[in-house]
Amino acid sequence: DTGVSQDPRHKITKRGQNVTFRCDPISEHNRLYWYRQTLGQGPEFLTYFQNEAQLEKSRLLSDRFSAERPKGSFSTLEIQRTEQGDSAMYLCASTRGFEQYFGPGTRLTVT
Amino acid sequence: AQRVTQPEKLLSVFKGAPVELKCNYSYSGSPELFWYVQYSRQRLQLLLRHISRESIKGFTADLNKGETSFHLKKPFAQEEDSAMYYCALEETSGSRLTFGEGTQLTVNP
Repeated sequence: DTGVSQDPRHKITKRGQNVTFRCDPISEHNRLYWYRQTLGQGPEFLTYFQNEAQLEKSRLLSDRFSAERPKGSFSTLEIQRTEQGDSAMYLCASTRGFEQYFGPGTRLTVT
Repeated sequence: AQRVTQPEKLLSVFKGAPVELKCNYSYSGSPELFWYVQYSRQRLQLLLRHISRESIKGFTADLNKGETSFHLKKPFAQEEDSAMYYCALEETSGSRLTFGEGTQLTVNP
């Protein structure tokens, strides 16, 4: 197992387009988290899943954002009608204990 | 709402000098505190958690509930300690992490 993977690593899109990111957690990790990180800031929580259930969503997660984790394995994060303010690094993490293991992130640039 | 503050965005020390990265938090309950580290071109990874009370790579951190602080310390900094350090708070086990803004530590030769 090579750890948490995220795809794509980089995404450039035009304002108004929809984008989808994928996260593959470490096998048997039941919890999966999404964070967003902008320049000069620490990661900010977006949402998390325990198995396939979405347990918490941040108020940062507007109705343009949706996340899924079908079958409790990989997860997708979709942003509809992207805005320039959505430009950020999107991080995924997984755990089955106390330590969250982070992926490399997907860097989104909205032009 | 919970909040984590790291007052220093940048910290520069010489090799062999002591280093202290400050972290203060605000939370009404009994949180769990962590330090995560990101080395250049690597992923964010756990350095240590307060409940384990262990030393990792020579770093220690003591939770001071009276001062609501969780400062990270190392008596003799090494060049390989240069990295971005984030303090993080977890309200309950398995819940989300609230991160501070991070401190970029540079250890000069």
